[in-house]
Amino acid sequence: GENVEQHPSTLSVQEGDSAVIKCTYSDSASNYFPWYKQELGKRPQLIIDIRSNVGEKKDQRIAVTLNKTAKHFSLHITETQPEDSAVYFCAASFLISGSARQLTFGSGTQLTVLP
Amino acid sequence: KAGVTQTPRYLIKTRGQQVTLSCSPISGHRSVSWYQQTPGQGLQFLFEYFSETQRNKGNFPGRFSGRQFSNSRSEMNVSTLELGDSALYLCASSLGQGAATNEKLFFGSGTQLSVL
Repeated sequence: GENVEQHPSTLSVQEGDSAVIKCTYSDSASNYFPWYKQELGKRPQLIIDIRSNVGEKKDQRIAVTLNKTAKHFSLHITETQPEDSAVYFCAASFLISGSARQLTFGSGTQLTVLP
Repeated sequence: KAGVTQTPRYLIKTRGQQVTLSCSPISGHRSVSWYQQTPGQGLQFLFEYFSETQRNKGNFPGRFSGRQFSNSRSEMNVSTLELGDSALYLCASSLGQGAATNEKLFFGSGTQLSVL
């Protein structure tokens, strides 16, 4: 099946520094790349997404970049705060057949922001 | 508007038993998908339902099955439980056709299944 590789699996940064999480995908027909944040004991929630016709998208301190040629996309968090500590999942939508698509998730990155 | 509701919150079963998990989507949402979450493995896709039809199934054995009712509520069943089935099972709903239209997923809090 299609694959999404996510790195690193754990990341510790000092408060105020930037954090970058990277994902690669295998299907060149993938066209949608969301990022979900899961705080400890809580449900995953969408924080930002990007579609294949866009190279970069920003929302305040969060940005996502997409390189379709290299088949990788990244999450950038600037000026990190303790409340950014969570597990972050990337995902890619790939084509099964016809119009059927499946969302495949990466294995997650545990981000810890140190005060 | 109420969020996605999953019941029960916790389950403890023994090997060989079967289990049924329930998911009530957000009102008006028509698509429900199920994921298995285990430490280090991320979210593994189980299946997706839209209008009572299974649109897609992940790479899980036939012991894992599901269905969706006319009110969009969904159930998943696992028969002949194995130790490796211990995991958090998450369902997510979306407004329209889910993955087919690249929609935002709204997750439930999950059912934590422990198989002894």
